[in-house]
Amino acid sequence: AQTVTQSQPEMSVQEAETVTLSCTYDTSESDYYLFWYKQPPSRQMILVIRQEAYKQQNATENRFSVNFQKAAKSFSLKISDSQLGDAAMYFCAYKGTSYDKVIFGPGTSLSVIP
Amino acid sequence: DGGITQSPKYLFRKEGQNVTLSCEQNLNHDAMYWYRQDPGQGLRLIYYSQIVNDFQKGDIAEGYSVSREKKESFPLTVTSAQKNPTAFYLCASSIRQYSYNEQFFGPGTRLTVL
Repeated sequence: AQTVTQSQPEMSVQEAETVTLSCTYDTSESDYYLFWYKQPPSRQMILVIRQEAYKQQNATENRFSVNFQKAAKSFSLKISDSQLGDAAMYFCAYKGTSYDKVIFGPGTSLSVIP
Repeated sequence: DGGITQSPKYLFRKEGQNVTLSCEQNLNHDAMYWYRQDPGQGLRLIYYSQIVNDFQKGDIAEGYSVSREKKESFPLTVTSAQKNPTAFYLCASSIRQYSYNEQFFGPGTRLTVL
C-alpha cells in the first residue's frame, strides 16, 4: 500500500527567508501525481503545487517550488521569501493513476517569525 | 461563486445520537470525499463517491454512513456506533478521480461529543 511520510512535525522560518519541507512516499507504481496542500489557521485546505511523476522538470508556482526525486521517492517543497501568510499546516499527498484515493501525509506545521 | 459548502461549522452531539453533516458543491464535480482530521494524523478517508448512487468505504468507514442521491450533495451521518467521533470533518470534490486534478475542499465541520 502507498504511504506518505512527513518527518518534520514542526518547522519555523524567518520572514523573507527560505524553508524546505520534506516528504517521502512509498509506491510500486511508475505513474502518479504528487501534491502539496496548505491548511492555514482558518482550516480551509488549498492546493499549493502539483507534480506529475512522468515529468522530470520540477514544478514551480511563484515562490513555491518542489524538488522531485523519483528514484528516491522524495518530494520536498521549497518556500522562498517566506511571508507571514505562509504560516500553516502543509500536507504532502499522493494519488496514483490506477488508485482512486488520495493518500495524505501527517502534515508539517510551519511558523513564520517576523 | 463556485465552491463547496459544509454545514454546520460547529456541531455538538450527545452520546448515543446520530448526526448528519452536510456537504454541497456547485462545481459540477463527479467525485466527492469525506475526511476526518485529528491532530498529528493528517487526513483519513471515511467514504468517497465517484458517481450518483454509488459510494465506497475509505480507511475508517466504521460508524459512519453516506448517501449520494444528487451529484451536488454528499451528506455524512455519524452514528452512535462511532466510538470517538470528536474531530474535524472535511468534505472535498474533484472533477474526475482518474486524473491529476486536485481535490477542492470545503471549510469543514467541527464535531464535538458532549
